[in-house]
Amino acid sequence: DAGITQSPRHKVTETGTPVTLRCHQTENHRYMYWYRQDPGHGLRLIHYSYGVKDTDKGEVSDGYSVSRSKTEDFLLTLESATSSQTSVYFCAISESGDTQYFGPGTRLTVL
Amino acid sequence: GENVEQHPSTLSVQEGDSAVIKCTYSDSASNYFPWYKQELGKGPQLIIDIRSNVGEKKDQRIAVTLNKTAKHFSLHITETQPEDSAVYFCAARGPGGSYIPTFGRGTSLIVHP
Repeated sequence: DAGITQSPRHKVTETGTPVTLRCHQTENHRYMYWYRQDPGHGLRLIHYSYGVKDTDKGEVSDGYSVSRSKTEDFLLTLESATSSQTSVYFCAISESGDTQYFGPGTRLTVL
Repeated sequence: GENVEQHPSTLSVQEGDSAVIKCTYSDSASNYFPWYKQELGKGPQLIIDIRSNVGEKKDQRIAVTLNKTAKHFSLHITETQPEDSAVYFCAARGPGGSYIPTFGRGTSLIVHP
Protein backbone atom coordinates (compact mmCIF):
# COMPACT_ATOMS: atom_id res chain seq x y z
CA ASP A 1 0.00 0.00 0.00
CA ALA A 2 1.15 3.51 -0.81
CA GLY A 3 2.30 5.41 2.26
CA ILE A 4 -0.51 7.88 2.65
CA THR A 5 -2.26 8.83 5.86
CA GLN A 6 -5.03 11.24 6.73
CA SER A 7 -5.76 12.91 10.03
CA PRO A 8 -8.03 13.08 11.80
CA ARG A 9 -10.01 10.03 10.65
CA HIS A 10 -13.19 11.31 12.20
CA LYS A 11 -14.23 14.77 13.27
CA VAL A 12 -17.42 16.36 14.53
CA THR A 13 -17.51 20.13 14.59
CA GLU A 14 -20.00 22.98 14.74
CA THR A 15 -21.11 25.35 12.04
CA GLY A 16 -18.83 28.35 11.71
CA THR A 17 -15.71 26.77 13.17
CA PRO A 18 -12.49 26.38 11.18
CA VAL A 19 -11.35 22.86 10.36
CA THR A 20 -8.07 21.60 8.94
CA LEU A 21 -7.58 18.14 7.50
CA ARG A 22 -4.11 16.79 6.90
CA CYS A 23 -2.81 14.45 4.24
CA HIS A 24 0.68 13.04 4.67
CA GLN A 25 2.61 10.89 2.19
CA THR A 26 5.92 9.07 2.39
CA GLU A 27 6.14 8.29 -1.35
CA ASN A 28 7.58 11.62 -2.55
CA HIS A 29 4.86 11.80 -5.21
CA ARG A 30 4.51 15.09 -7.02
CA TYR A 31 0.74 15.31 -7.33
CA MET A 32 -1.71 15.48 -4.43
CA TYR A 33 -5.50 15.81 -4.51
CA TRP A 34 -8.39 16.41 -2.17
CA TYR A 35 -11.78 14.87 -3.00
CA ARG A 36 -15.08 14.77 -1.23
CA GLN A 37 -17.42 11.81 -1.55
CA ASP A 38 -21.16 12.12 -1.12
CA PRO A 39 -23.92 9.64 -1.97
CA GLY A 40 -24.96 9.96 -5.60
CA HIS A 41 -22.06 12.22 -6.50
CA GLY A 42 -19.09 9.91 -6.58
CA LEU A 43 -15.71 11.58 -6.09
CA ARG A 44 -15.57 15.32 -6.63
CA LEU A 45 -12.28 17.17 -6.81
CA ILE A 46 -11.88 20.06 -4.36
CA HIS A 47 -8.28 21.19 -4.88
CA TYR A 48 -5.09 19.69 -6.18
CA SER A 49 -1.37 20.34 -6.09
CA TYR A 50 1.26 19.77 -8.75
CA GLY A 51 4.22 20.69 -6.58
CA VAL A 52 5.27 22.49 -3.43
CA LYS A 53 3.31 25.74 -3.20
CA ASP A 54 1.64 24.96 -6.55
CA THR A 55 -2.08 24.42 -6.11
CA ASP A 56 -5.24 24.94 -8.10
CA LYS A 57 -9.01 24.67 -7.75
CA GLY A 58 -11.15 21.71 -8.61
CA GLU A 59 -14.83 21.57 -9.42
CA VAL A 60 -16.12 22.12 -5.85
CA SER A 61 -13.57 24.49 -4.31
CA ASP A 62 -15.91 27.11 -2.80
CA GLY A 63 -15.47 27.27 0.97
CA TYR A 64 -12.17 25.38 0.92
CA SER A 65 -8.52 26.38 0.80
CA VAL A 66 -5.34 24.32 0.65
CA SER A 67 -1.67 24.64 1.34
CA ARG A 68 1.38 22.58 0.46
CA SER A 69 4.53 23.89 2.09
CA LYS A 70 6.45 20.63 1.66
CA THR A 71 6.20 17.63 -0.64
CA GLU A 72 4.79 15.26 1.95
CA ASP A 73 1.95 17.36 3.38
CA PHE A 74 -1.21 18.71 1.80
CA LEU A 75 -3.62 20.54 4.09
CA LEU A 76 -7.29 21.19 3.43
CA THR A 77 -8.92 24.00 5.41
CA LEU A 78 -12.57 24.83 5.84
CA GLU A 79 -12.40 28.44 7.00
CA SER A 80 -15.94 28.41 8.41
CA ALA A 81 -17.54 24.98 8.27
CA THR A 82 -21.13 24.62 7.06
CA SER A 83 -23.50 21.66 7.23
CA SER A 84 -23.18 21.22 3.45
CA GLN A 85 -19.53 20.32 4.02
CA THR A 86 -20.47 17.22 5.98
CA SER A 87 -18.86 14.53 3.88
CA VAL A 88 -16.12 11.95 3.60
CA TYR A 89 -12.87 13.52 2.43
CA PHE A 90 -10.21 11.57 0.57
CA CYS A 91 -6.69 12.58 -0.21
CA ALA A 92 -4.93 11.00 -3.18
CA ILE A 93 -1.38 11.06 -4.48
CA SER A 94 0.12 10.34 -7.87
CA GLU A 95 3.66 10.15 -9.14
CA SER A 96 2.96 10.92 -12.79
CA GLY A 97 -0.65 12.04 -12.87
CA ASP A 98 -1.85 8.59 -13.94
CA THR A 99 -2.58 6.11 -11.18
CA GLN A 100 -3.87 7.66 -7.99
CA TYR A 101 -3.38 6.19 -4.53
CA PHE A 102 -6.04 7.12 -2.03
CA GLY A 103 -5.83 7.61 1.69
CA PRO A 104 -8.24 5.98 4.16
CA GLY A 105 -10.53 9.02 4.31
CA THR A 106 -11.73 11.47 6.94
CA ARG A 107 -15.37 11.50 7.96
CA LEU A 108 -16.38 15.06 8.81
CA THR A 109 -19.68 15.97 10.41
CA VAL A 110 -20.67 19.61 10.73
CA LEU A 111 -23.53 20.16 13.16
CA GLY B 1 -14.06 19.41 -20.16
CA GLU B 2 -14.28 15.65 -19.91
CA ASN B 3 -17.57 14.01 -18.96
CA VAL B 4 -17.73 10.39 -17.81
CA GLU B 5 -21.00 8.47 -17.55
CA GLN B 6 -21.06 5.16 -15.68
CA HIS B 7 -23.76 2.48 -15.81
CA PRO B 8 -25.39 0.81 -14.05
CA SER B 9 -25.42 2.54 -10.69
CA THR B 10 -26.27 -0.74 -8.97
CA LEU B 11 -25.59 -4.28 -10.14
CA SER B 12 -26.72 -7.39 -8.33
CA VAL B 13 -25.44 -10.83 -9.40
CA GLN B 14 -25.24 -14.37 -8.09
CA GLU B 15 -21.89 -15.78 -7.08
CA GLY B 16 -20.19 -17.28 -10.09
CA ASP B 17 -21.93 -15.02 -12.61
CA SER B 18 -20.15 -12.38 -14.67
CA ALA B 19 -20.52 -8.65 -14.08
CA VAL B 20 -20.03 -5.88 -16.61
CA ILE B 21 -19.82 -2.16 -15.87
CA LYS B 22 -19.68 0.34 -18.71
CA CYS B 23 -18.38 3.89 -18.93
CA THR B 24 -18.57 6.40 -21.72
CA TYR B 25 -16.38 9.47 -22.06
CA SER B 26 -16.68 12.64 -24.11
CA ASP B 27 -13.12 13.77 -24.87
CA SER B 28 -11.68 11.74 -27.73
CA ALA B 29 -8.19 12.87 -26.66
CA SER B 30 -8.40 11.04 -23.32
CA ASN B 31 -5.75 8.34 -23.18
CA TYR B 32 -5.74 6.75 -19.73
CA PHE B 33 -8.64 4.82 -18.20
CA PRO B 34 -8.29 3.39 -14.67
CA TRP B 35 -10.79 1.41 -12.64
CA TYR B 36 -10.94 1.65 -8.87
CA LYS B 37 -12.58 -0.57 -6.29
CA GLN B 38 -13.81 0.90 -3.04
CA GLU B 39 -14.67 -1.39 -0.16
CA LEU B 40 -16.85 -0.19 2.66
CA GLY B 41 -15.06 2.29 4.90
CA LYS B 42 -11.92 2.43 2.77
CA GLY B 43 -10.44 4.59 0.06
CA PRO B 44 -10.62 3.58 -3.61
CA GLN B 45 -7.89 1.27 -4.86
CA LEU B 46 -6.74 0.78 -8.43
CA ILE B 47 -7.62 -2.68 -9.78
CA ILE B 48 -6.84 -2.34 -13.47
CA ASP B 49 -6.14 0.34 -16.05
CA ILE B 50 -5.83 0.64 -19.81
CA ARG B 51 -4.23 3.12 -22.18
CA SER B 52 -5.61 4.27 -25.49
CA ASN B 53 -3.10 2.28 -27.55
CA VAL B 54 -4.49 -1.00 -26.17
CA GLY B 55 -7.91 -2.54 -26.83
CA GLU B 56 -8.06 -5.02 -23.98
CA LYS B 57 -6.24 -5.89 -20.80
CA LYS B 58 -6.73 -8.82 -18.49
CA ASP B 59 -5.68 -9.66 -14.95
CA GLN B 60 -6.99 -12.99 -13.70
CA ARG B 61 -10.78 -12.60 -13.33
CA ILE B 62 -10.80 -8.94 -14.26
CA ALA B 63 -10.60 -7.46 -17.75
CA VAL B 64 -11.06 -4.04 -19.26
CA THR B 65 -11.96 -3.32 -22.88
CA LEU B 66 -11.68 -0.02 -24.69
CA ASN B 67 -13.53 1.10 -27.80
CA LYS B 68 -12.00 4.41 -28.86
CA THR B 69 -14.35 4.88 -31.80
CA ALA B 70 -17.43 4.65 -29.61
CA LYS B 71 -15.64 6.30 -26.69
CA HIS B 72 -16.53 3.69 -24.13
CA PHE B 73 -14.68 1.27 -21.90
CA SER B 74 -15.95 -1.57 -19.77
CA LEU B 75 -14.93 -3.58 -16.74
CA HIS B 76 -15.60 -7.31 -16.87
CA ILE B 77 -15.47 -9.49 -13.77
CA THR B 78 -15.86 -13.23 -14.31
CA GLU B 79 -16.71 -15.89 -11.73
CA THR B 80 -17.78 -13.28 -9.22
CA GLN B 81 -17.24 -13.93 -5.52
CA PRO B 82 -18.81 -12.28 -2.47
CA GLU B 83 -15.56 -10.39 -1.83
CA ASP B 84 -16.04 -8.64 -5.17
CA SER B 85 -18.93 -6.75 -3.57
CA ALA B 86 -17.87 -3.10 -3.52
CA VAL B 87 -18.32 0.21 -5.32
CA TYR B 88 -16.41 0.45 -8.60
CA PHE B 89 -15.38 3.73 -10.20
CA CYS B 90 -14.15 4.34 -13.70
CA ALA B 91 -12.12 7.40 -14.70
CA ALA B 92 -10.74 9.03 -17.82
CA ARG B 93 -7.71 11.26 -18.05
CA GLY B 94 -6.75 13.61 -20.84
CA PRO B 95 -3.55 13.66 -22.86
CA GLY B 96 -0.33 15.53 -22.57
CA GLY B 97 0.23 17.33 -19.32
CA SER B 98 -3.21 16.60 -17.91
CA TYR B 99 -3.11 15.03 -14.46
CA ILE B 100 -6.72 15.51 -13.43
CA PRO B 101 -8.90 12.45 -14.02
CA THR B 102 -12.66 12.67 -14.35
CA PHE B 103 -14.52 10.00 -12.39
CA GLY B 104 -17.78 8.25 -13.08
CA ARG B 105 -20.34 8.24 -10.29
CA GLY B 106 -19.70 4.66 -9.31
CA THR B 107 -21.41 1.27 -9.50
CA SER B 108 -22.39 -0.63 -6.40
CA LEU B 109 -21.79 -4.32 -7.14
CA ILE B 110 -23.51 -6.84 -4.89
CA VAL B 111 -22.57 -10.49 -5.23
CA HIS B 112 -25.04 -12.83 -3.55
CA PRO B 113 -23.64 -16.11 -2.18
